[in-house]
Amino acid sequence: GAGVSQTPSNKVTEKGKYVELRCDPISGHTALYWYRQSLGQGPEFLIYFQGTGAADDSGLPNDRFFAVRPEGSVSTLKIQRTERGDSAVYLCASSSLAVSYNEQFFGPGTRLTVL
Amino acid sequence: DQQVKQNSPSLSVQEGRISILNCDYTNSMFDYFLWYKKYPAEGPTFLISISSIKDKNEDGRFTVFLNKSAKHLSLHIVPSQPGDSAVYFCAAMNAGNMLTFGGGTRLMVKP
Repeated sequence: GAGVSQTPSNKVTEKGKYVELRCDPISGHTALYWYRQSLGQGPEFLIYFQGTGAADDSGLPNDRFFAVRPEGSVSTLKIQRTERGDSAVYLCASSSLAVSYNEQFFGPGTRLTVL
Repeated sequence: DQQVKQNSPSLSVQEGRISILNCDYTNSMFDYFLWYKKYPAEGPTFLISISSIKDKNEDGRFTVFLNKSAKHLSLHIVPSQPGDSAVYFCAAMNAGNMLTFGGGTRLMVKP
């Protein structure tokens, strides 16, 4: 079956612009996660959705970052007034919460470059 | 404050030998630990996990050991194969939700 997909695979933007990153989770997975991986580091948690609602957004760095999942499937991560420090690979993962401590399946990521 | 640390950024091993990747954590609330493998331009893929109630979990060539008193876990790969060359991330979980990752160890297995 299809895995987690993310679009675009690469995004280059200018400082101050607005960007949207999309994640299509595995069909039927109720939990969706966004992580950010900066160069040379491990992924860092941003936000977690259970269904349509954000269950934990404690990892969002500031109010320029926002994410939605209006129908409980596709999610969009939105970054306003981008800064050069936002450059990173943004990873999305999904999991089925039918089983606790279940595996998170990751997409290939979106590489964001802010010039 | 890094709660999960992988102190070796890289490791080089000869094909057929054992690879040992190490991970330390500070948060005693973590109760589930995972190893992920990552190839360039791909997302991390799950490799093996261990619950805090166990001290060892084995899956084929991969074994994870957990020492709770030392807050240390390790991944053993034996025998190592060139296809194992990748970046390996240790991750920890609390209450079954978000993952906290280490910085990764790049494993190179030489033929």
